[in-house]
Amino acid sequence: GAGVSQSPSNKVTEKGKDVELRCDPISGHTALYWYRQSLGQGLEFLIYFQGNSAPDKSGLPSDRFSAERTGGSVSTLTIQRTQQEDSAVYLCASSSHDPAGVKPQHFGDGTRLSIL
Amino acid sequence: AQSVAQPEDQVNVAEGNPLTVKCTYSVSGNPYLFWYVQYPNRGLQFLLKYITGDNLVKGSYGFEAEFNKSQTSFHLKKPSALVSDSALYFCAVRDFGSNYQLIWGAGTKLIIKP
Repeated sequence: GAGVSQSPSNKVTEKGKDVELRCDPISGHTALYWYRQSLGQGLEFLIYFQGNSAPDKSGLPSDRFSAERTGGSVSTLTIQRTQQEDSAVYLCASSSHDPAGVKPQHFGDGTRLSIL
Repeated sequence: AQSVAQPEDQVNVAEGNPLTVKCTYSVSGNPYLFWYVQYPNRGLQFLLKYITGDNLVKGSYGFEAEFNKSQTSFHLKKPSALVSDSALYFCAVRDFGSNYQLIWGAGTKLIIKP
């Protein structure tokens, strides 16, 4: 089956504009993660969804960032009033239900966001 | 505090030579350890994991990793490097207070020279 799909692959926008990034996880995967990766750096956790449970939003850097997951599948990460420091690669990952914490995450290829 | 360290920003190896990418960790309890690889302009791909059992774990693309509890290390190894192994490698450990959060290392850039 298909892997994790993210769109757009690249997004260039002006400072102050809002952007929406989309993630389509692997079918049947109930867990979904968003990460931010600055150029050549490590991963910064943003938000986690598991089934119908309340998401863990503890990694969102400011109230300009929000995310939703409709129907337990597709997720959208929204950044309002973008700033230049928001420029990064935004990665989405999914995994099957994993109460033991042993299953690997499957990543999309990311959205490269550039704020002018 | 729980943490993962990848002490080398970059590792250079000649093609055909063995390679090692280092990872050390600090967690309470038994660690669940993971290695991922990231090729340019791609997402991360899972390589291997250690949960329990044999200390030598074999994974994708001929990679293996050795769990060493006394040294709190989980170094990634390959007997003979390929140019195509050049990529960014991340070590991660399960956050012991969570069943889903990973604590990520900063990554090590592996360069294999022909």
